Amino acid sequence: DAGVIQSPRHEVTEMGQEVTLRCKPISGHNSLFWYRQTMMRGLELLIYFNNNVPIDDSGMPEDRFSAKMPNASFSTLKIQPSEPRDSAVYFCASSSPGTGSSGANVLTFGAGSRLTVL
Amino acid sequence: RKEVEQDPGPFNVPEGATVAFNCTYSNSASQSFFWYRQDCRKEPKLLMSVYSSGNEDGRFTAQLNRASQYISLLIRDSKLSDSATYLCVVHTGGFKTIFGAGTRLFVKA
Repeated sequence: DAGVIQSPRHEVTEMGQEVTLRCKPISGHNSLFWYRQTMMRGLELLIYFNNNVPIDDSGMPEDRFSAKMPNASFSTLKIQPSEPRDSAVYFCASSSPGTGSSGANVLTFGAGSRLTVL
Repeated sequence: RKEVEQDPGPFNVPEGATVAFNCTYSNSASQSFFWYRQDCRKEPKLLMSVYSSGNEDGRFTAQLNRASQYISLLIRDSKLSDSATYLCVVHTGGFKTIFGAGTRLFVKA
């Protein structure tokens, strides 16, 4: 299993540009999470999906952020327009279905996308 | 009040020491509990799940106190390789998983 795959690993862009981050979850995992990590705020949950449906997007900072999951093997997080304060590491994670079963609710993270907005 | 709170540290301990981390959570309906480890510039990885009866994995012991909404992690005989940030994690149900800010540990030779 290749694990959770994120791209790009690093992105440097200028303020005002559109940024799209991509994630391929582990096959068979039906929950997908987007987190943002900064030194000041730690790991913040932005949005999560279950069976490709957004369940809770209350962590999305503002309308400039949007996320989609068109199918079980792909999700995107888009920032448009980007701002310097969006600079952070963005992690995607997935987890296996159900509760009470072995490994349930355990998140496996991708390596992250490090975003720098100048 | 944050949903999951941890002492940020850092904890600086010599090799061989025993160190304990604490964590409190605010949602009494929380269902599952975990400790994750995050190395510098890496992604978080599961260290161990936390069960009501307490559980042990080698030098690591995790405990849960539901009445006090409190989770702990004990590391015995610390190794240099234990240096990392330890994240307390709570699954609140409805697929929602919340991370604490993490406790940094430095183990010195």
